Amino acid sequence: ETAVFQTPNYHVTQVGNEVSFNCKQTLGHDTMYWYKQDSKKLLKIMFSYNNKQLIVNETVPRRFSPQSSDKAHLNLRIKSVEPEDSAVYLCASSSGGARDTQYFGPGTRLLVL
Amino acid sequence: GDSVTQTEGLVTLTEGLPVMLNCTYQSTYSPFLFWYVQHLNEAPKLLLKSFTDNKRPEHQGFHATLHKSSSSFHLQKSSAQLSDSALYYCALSANYNVLYFGSGTKLTVEP
Repeated sequence: ETAVFQTPNYHVTQVGNEVSFNCKQTLGHDTMYWYKQDSKKLLKIMFSYNNKQLIVNETVPRRFSPQSSDKAHLNLRIKSVEPEDSAVYLCASSSGGARDTQYFGPGTRLLVL
Repeated sequence: GDSVTQTEGLVTLTEGLPVMLNCTYQSTYSPFLFWYVQHLNEAPKLLLKSFTDNKRPEHQGFHATLHKSSSSFHLQKSSAQLSDSALYYCALSANYNVLYFGSGTKLTVEP
């Protein structure tokens, strides 16, 4: 049963455009994350938020900015996309402890032409 | 820093044979180790994770033992099934509670 929801599923855009992805979790978790899965399937942490506060920013280019309105929502905006931004962006949530399971959404696939 | 190494990018097996996917890690802290599985066009899902004591986690026939002396958390299963074909990630979580993933191992089980 899906409990982490992401929109859109797929987005095609051109270099220089701005895009925004949404994520919502219904698990009651305090912590949410954005991960990037590239074309080689490498999966890397981008950001983590705990109760609307940014906790981790893993050397992500400044054109990426996460936004959280409440602990159940974490959006991702990319100001001016570049070709290397083409990837699947995965949102996840957890209770926030190091041993806690992270639950992933289905991902948003971004293609930059 | 924290890192995870998975040496096999691709593993192809015949159904019924044993599975072993390698995972080693480096961390300044005492991390927790995880195996996540991602089937085609699906989200990654937890397969199993390490315990704080010496118990061996098991799920769906898979098991893994955390060996701190060798910094390893290899995934094993005695008999592969066709439905085990998927992408397997080893990951660790330590200081900031985010997951650091290995490069993944694509397991293909053939009839």
